[in-house]
Amino acid sequence: KQEVTQIPAALSVPEGENLVLNCSFTDSAIYNLQWFRQDPGKGLTSLLLIQSSQREQTSGRLNASLDKSSGRSTLYIAASQPGDSATYLCAVRYFQGAQKLVFGQGTRLTINP
Amino acid sequence: EAQVTQNPRYLITVTGKKLTVTCSQNMNHEYMSWYRQDPGLGLRQIYYSMNVEVTDKGDVPEGYKVSRKEKRNFPLILESPSPNQTSLYFCASSWGMGQHNNSPLHFGNGTRLTVT
Repeated sequence: KQEVTQIPAALSVPEGENLVLNCSFTDSAIYNLQWFRQDPGKGLTSLLLIQSSQREQTSGRLNASLDKSSGRSTLYIAASQPGDSATYLCAVRYFQGAQKLVFGQGTRLTINP
Repeated sequence: EAQVTQNPRYLITVTGKKLTVTCSQNMNHEYMSWYRQDPGLGLRQIYYSMNVEVTDKGDVPEGYKVSRKEKRNFPLILESPSPNQTSLYFCASSWGMGQHNNSPLHFGNGTRLTVT
């Protein structure tokens, strides 16, 4: 079964720390992996998309890595700020069932001032 | 501004009263899709459309209908809503989901539906 898992479900860290969010997936046959941010009561904002052939993508203080062989991706957030507080979702587009994204349950991140 | 627009943002209705949630995108995207988000179950795909007049079922299509008469619009129709359709609904679009297309998926702000 194609699944995506994000651990931990919640994370709380003090402002200024660097942190890593984890995502694991069950099949290495993927087109891409996308990281989203969701604020309470709001939609999903696309942060980074990593294609199957890539190892990492960077945008500002965010860096996402992809290791297909181990079925893992990480989202690294540098110098965290209170405004980074949100739920972060990882989503995978598998070869099988390629017309959809399979989402993890998300990690709810709180940055304490 | 490039965006996916859903309406309404909030909707409270009663069992059996037909409703439509509208979705429109201004990016000329070919692919559009509907997801629902429920606590403990995450986001699940309801229906998707690869292009005008081309729609197909996702993982949880029961109780829903869609249509794609124009490229920009992809309404979600609940013919006879039931309480188990109470959820947060998201419309999304992208350039495509074909074999050689790796474009990101863009989401609307969501519609919170309550069926009593």
